Amino acid sequence: DAGVTQSPTHLIKTRGQQVTLRCSPKSGHDTVSWYQQALGQGPQFIFQYYEEEERQRGNFPDRFSGHQFPNYSSELNVNALLLGDSALYLCASSVRPAGETQYFGPGTRLLVL
Amino acid sequence: GQQLNQSPQSMFIQEGEDVSMNCTSSSIFNTWLWYKQDPGEGPVLLIALYKAGELTSNGRLTAQFGITRKDSFLNISASIPSDVGIYFCAGQQTSGSRLTFGEGTQLTVNP
Repeated sequence: DAGVTQSPTHLIKTRGQQVTLRCSPKSGHDTVSWYQQALGQGPQFIFQYYEEEERQRGNFPDRFSGHQFPNYSSELNVNALLLGDSALYLCASSVRPAGETQYFGPGTRLLVL
Repeated sequence: GQQLNQSPQSMFIQEGEDVSMNCTSSSIFNTWLWYKQDPGEGPVLLIALYKAGELTSNGRLTAQFGITRKDSFLNISASIPSDVGIYFCAGQQTSGSRLTFGEGTQLTVNP
């Protein structure tokens, strides 16, 4: 049973560029949440997608956007990258509305130069 | 953004010792979760708690959901070298909603 997968594993971009990160949820899961984890800190919630719609959003600017596809996979897009966007981006999947807890992927390490 | 208060920030212990860490919040959470994260990887779920006062074990790990619903504790008994890593608590206010994380406890186990 495949767990949550993310791609790419690492990425280097320069300021002002745009980036797209991808996530495939655990088999049987229909909800995807994205988190940003800066070095030495706990993950911070970005947003959650269910039924191809953004359902909840954390305190992140509009430069952060996402999408969920009919197969439940998801993308996170970040525009106009800033140095401060350098972080580990984590995807977590779960099942709604049962409320089963969230299982995390290995993350994508983004470095903005 | 809001984070939970997790302590201690770091711990250095000898193999075989027991470990305790805790998490507190000014807000009520209806679910408490404990994750472990190894370098370069995503958090792995250790224990989930769904009811105030609940005490749950997973092998050498035991976690409790505080009666006030504003805190949780994790204990690790008889630590071993593979327990090294960062432990995070996370709270969830409603079923299926976002997770709010603590800042983590870095555990080092000396053989």
